[in-house]
Amino acid sequence: GAGVSQSPSNKVTEKGKDVELRCDPISGHTALYWYRQSLGQGLEFLIYFQGNSAPDKSGLPSDRFSAERTGGSVSTLTIQRTQQEDSAVYLCASSQDPAGQVYGYTFGSGTRLTVV
Amino acid sequence: DAKTTQPTSMDCAEGRAANLPCNHSTISGNEYVYWYRQIHSQGPQYIIHGLKNNETNEMASLIITEDRKSSTLILPHATLRDTAVYYCIVRVHNAGNMLTFGGGTRLMVKP
Repeated sequence: GAGVSQSPSNKVTEKGKDVELRCDPISGHTALYWYRQSLGQGLEFLIYFQGNSAPDKSGLPSDRFSAERTGGSVSTLTIQRTQQEDSAVYLCASSQDPAGQVYGYTFGSGTRLTVV
Repeated sequence: DAKTTQPTSMDCAEGRAANLPCNHSTISGNEYVYWYRQIHSQGPQYIIHGLKNNETNEMASLIITEDRKSSTLILPHATLRDTAVYYCIVRVHNAGNMLTFGGGTRLMVKP
């Protein structure tokens, strides 16, 4: 597609429920990143996928968070047993080169997650 | 990655040039300067990057001082749509090195 697509755009869930957030990167982009942004805060790195390499999970805040990238394309971020502090905008980005060093990262518009 | 310092906020009149400064006094020789911006309710958008030479593209110009300890992003003719938070980031070109966003500068373009 023309850009990075994320779904849903908004998600309200009850505390304790599991949620899945989806990211469709730009076709052909080998690198995919997940960030989150809490209200009024900066962006926090979560996880990075590059090709078939093992993902860099160093930013995941707890073992309730996991992510997959199937077939080198679509990625799903799963949050189990959601807590109120998980409320944030979850942003996905992709880049044409491994480090986004030539053309930068292209971000999606994010999924706004609200845990009530 | 080297730490950056940016003003918290700035105003600019519509149609005038917006000059956004960034200090990165501890930058190392292999670190690039990147600029992104985030318009309200959208994901960040890549603007420009450079190593030591000044750079220009359709969005902006990047001026890097000779000692590379500071840089300025220039939007030559700011419009209301340029109102956003602008992030200056320095990083090494490395596949394992993610973008780290600081607080940025909130630019308000006023009519």
